[in-house]
Amino acid sequence: DAGVTQSPTHLIKTRGQQVTLRCSPKSGHDTVSWYQQALGQGPQFIFQYYEEEERQRGNFPDRFSGHQFPNYSSELNVNALLLGDSALYLCASSLRDLGYEQYFGPGTRLTVT
Amino acid sequence: RKEVEQDPGPFNVPEGATVAFNCTYSNSASQSFFWYRQDCRKEPKLLMSVYSSGNEDGRFTAQLNRASQYISLLIRDSKLSDSATYLCVVNPFSGGYNKLIFGAGTRLAVHP
Repeated sequence: DAGVTQSPTHLIKTRGQQVTLRCSPKSGHDTVSWYQQALGQGPQFIFQYYEEEERQRGNFPDRFSGHQFPNYSSELNVNALLLGDSALYLCASSLRDLGYEQYFGPGTRLTVT
Repeated sequence: RKEVEQDPGPFNVPEGATVAFNCTYSNSASQSFFWYRQDCRKEPKLLMSVYSSGNEDGRFTAQLNRASQYISLLIRDSKLSDSATYLCVVNPFSGGYNKLIFGAGTRLAVHP
């Protein structure tokens, strides 16, 4: 049984560019949440997708957007990258009714230069 | 004020020591509480859930005080393998959906 997978593992982008990160949830899970973890900080909630709709959003600007596909996989898009967007981006999957039990993927480490 | 605040750390302890981590949260309506462990450059992994009645898992004991909005984690007989960052996590469960609010984490280094 595959756990949560994310791609790519690492990514280097330049300020102003756009990036797309991908996540496949654990088998059987229907809800995907995205978190940003800056160096030395705890993960911060970006948003959550269920039934292909954004259900909750944290305190992140509109440059951060996402999508969930019918197979429950998800993408995180960040436009107009800033140096401060450099972080580990974590995807977590869960079941809608057990959303407190979230399983994290290994993350994508984004570096913006 | 941050939603979840933890001891800043780092904690440097010898093997066999007992170490306690504390955490406070600001949202009194929070529904569930957890401790996660995160190894360097890895994803967070659930260590244990925290209940008002307290719960124990081997050398680990977690406690919740809803009145004080305080969560604790006690590690007894520390092992080298316990070296990691410990994240206090709260689920406010608003609008019918769950999300996790993390503290900044407390780093533990266990030395021989």
